Amino acid sequence: GENVEQHPSTLSVQEGDSAVIKCTYSDSASNYFPWYKQELGKRPQLIIDIRSNVGEKKDQRIAVTLNKTAKHFSLHITETQPEDSAVYFCAASSTGTASKLTFGTGTRLQVTL
Amino acid sequence: DAEITQSPRHKITETGRQVTLACHQTWNHNNMFWYRQDLGHGLRLIHYSYGVQDTNKGEVSDGYSVSRSNTEDLPLTLESAASSQTSVYFCASSESLQGPGGPQHFGDGTRLSIL
Repeated sequence: GENVEQHPSTLSVQEGDSAVIKCTYSDSASNYFPWYKQELGKRPQLIIDIRSNVGEKKDQRIAVTLNKTAKHFSLHITETQPEDSAVYFCAASSTGTASKLTFGTGTRLQVTL
Repeated sequence: DAEITQSPRHKITETGRQVTLACHQTWNHNNMFWYRQDLGHGLRLIHYSYGVQDTNKGEVSDGYSVSRSNTEDLPLTLESAASSQTSVYFCASSESLQGPGGPQHFGDGTRLSIL
């Protein structure tokens, strides 16, 4: 089955700096890659996703890049703000198991003033 | 607005008891999922369903069961609760899509403590 590895497990940046979280996946058939943000005590919420026919997607201060050859994808947050502090999860799914996601273990992002 | 609701939000029970966690969605989604979340493990899939009368085991299904008698509900049952099942449980749903999977919408979670 699919295996998703996520790094780093914790990340501390200063307000205004950029943050990058990286994930690798094992199943070359995976073709859908969402990112979720989870604030303390809250539900995971989708912040951005990318499909395998696209190499990059951007939504305001967040962007995701996908390298299918290397089987890795990354989340980029620019101009970080204190409200970006949360745990971020990457995930992957493949057509053969439509909608079934395998999650990474999460990255705790702390944005300091 | 469509929503996915979990109940109870918090529960404390004893080992050996049967426990059922409820999940109800008004998205009219065919796909529903149960995860447990533990520190250092992220979200791990327990069971999932692609429609009425369909259920499938996830990576950590031992000691858990689900049933899907209608589109809206996927209750999760712990047959005989064990302390190792103390966790936060999340239910999620997603639309059926041809080809690649689609975004999952999560409930607020149930914090379950087994003493």
